[in-house]
Amino acid sequence: QVQLVQSGAEVKKPGASVKISCEASGYTFTSHSIHWVRQAPGQGLEWVGIIRSSGETTSYSQNLQGRVTVTRDTSTNTAYLELRSLRFEDSAVYYCARRGSGSCDLDYWGQGTLVTVSS
Amino acid sequence: EIVLTQSPGTLSLSPGERATLSCRASQRVSSDYLAWYQQKPGQAPRLLIYGASSRATGIPDRFSGSGSGTDFTLSISRLGPEDFAVYYCQQYGSSPRTFGQGTKVEIK
Repeated sequence: QVQLVQSGAEVKKPGASVKISCEASGYTFTSHSIHWVRQAPGQGLEWVGIIRSSGETTSYSQNLQGRVTVTRDTSTNTAYLELRSLRFEDSAVYYCARRGSGSCDLDYWGQGTLVTVSS
Repeated sequence: EIVLTQSPGTLSLSPGERATLSCRASQRVSSDYLAWYQQKPGQAPRLLIYGASSRATGIPDRFSGSGSGTDFTLSISRLGPEDFAVYYCQQYGSSPRTFGQGTKVEIK
C-alpha cells in the first residue's frame, strides 16, 4: 500500500534552517510528483512547493521563494523540504503529499512534521 | 493567483441531515481542476473529490461534488458522526495552487 512517512518534529531558532524528509513506499516513486503543504496552528492549508515526477522541475510559493528548496533521492525514494532563514511565522505542520494519476489530485499524504521556530 | 472563498465558515447540522458547502473562485478554474479535502483534528487532509465531481478511491457515495468555472459545491447527503470535520476546497488548474479558508461542519 502507498505510504508517505515523514521525519520527526523539529525545534529551531529564528534564522536557522530545517530539512524535513518524506519517504515513499508502495508505488513507483518517479511516476508521481510530490507536493509540500503547511498548516500553521489553528489555520488553514498553504501550498509550499512541488517536485515534479521528472525530478527536474520544482516550483515554489511566491511567499517562500528564495528560502525553500525541494529535492529528492530516487535511491531511497525520499523527498526533502529545506526551509532556510526560519521565522516565527514558519512554525507549522508540514505535510508531503503525492499527486495522483491523471486528473486526480493529492491522494496520499504523510503524517505531518511539526516545525516550531522559537528563541 | 486564484482566490477561493468558501461559505459558510461554519455549518451546524445534526447527524442524518444534508450538508451543502460552497467554494467560489475569483477566476475560472482551469479544466475544473477543483478538489475537496476533509480534515479532522490532528490528522492529515484526506482527498474526497477531484476534478470537481470525481470521488477519490474509497470515498462513500454520500459525498458528491458539482460545479464548474467559478462556482463549486460539495454535498454530503446524510451526515454520519464521522463527517463532522473541516472541509477545504483547492484549485490545481493554475499555478500556484490555492486553498479555500475552510468550512467547519459541526454537530448542532
